[in-house]
Amino acid sequence: QSVLTQPPSASGTPGQRVTISCSGSSSNIGSNTVNWYQQLPGTAPKLLIYSNNQRPSGVPDRFSGSKSGTSASLAISGLQSEDEADYYCAAWDDSLNGHVVFGGGTKLTVL
Amino acid sequence: QVQLVESGGGLVKPGGSLRLSCAASGFTFSDYYMSWIRQAPGKGLEWVSYISSSSSYTNYADSVKGRFTISRDNAKNSLYLQMNSLRAEDTAVYYCARGSTYTPPDYWGQGTLVTVSS
Repeated sequence: QSVLTQPPSASGTPGQRVTISCSGSSSNIGSNTVNWYQQLPGTAPKLLIYSNNQRPSGVPDRFSGSKSGTSASLAISGLQSEDEADYYCAAWDDSLNGHVVFGGGTKLTVL
Repeated sequence: QVQLVESGGGLVKPGGSLRLSCAASGFTFSDYYMSWIRQAPGKGLEWVSYISSSSSYTNYADSVKGRFTISRDNAKNSLYLQMNSLRAEDTAVYYCARGSTYTPPDYWGQGTLVTVSS
């Protein structure tokens, strides 16, 4: 049971816009920033969004993040076949002396 | 460029021990918190432990507390995870990851597989 809640799956056709939600609480998303990661099969997670809505260098602007209260969202516009991957949200949690919490992951399928 | 390279994984029997290492390069290692995060086969990500830049603070997930010990050597740009009393449920790919205070990690290593089985 993950601390942050994500839908287990999402799908879209090429060119569409897809959003993935991430729900938390006041001790994590409500008081700290959110990161999003993309994990392609057999590879390590890669940072996609940091500090709620910032893109690292090299990440296409098709990927965007937002946060409101205790929830966050990742949006992918102009969906491409190479976007098919698992996506995870993460945040710092102030409870239990502080630690990182993750969502359970969302498998994105490009139809 | 930032590089994190884990090593030390392998097959170990239940109750056994293993020490993971992570060699860091491309950044000032002593400036950053470091974490270990694991992923069981076919499952999601689970935070295991973190250590502050100067080793003053450490914290562990309840699932590993008392069995795992995180440490670092800033002179060698290295992070370690000593794992004792290993259980089948510790089987996972273990990633080392770079972070900062109160933020999730940014860079991750490629991971090292730990399999606990008789």
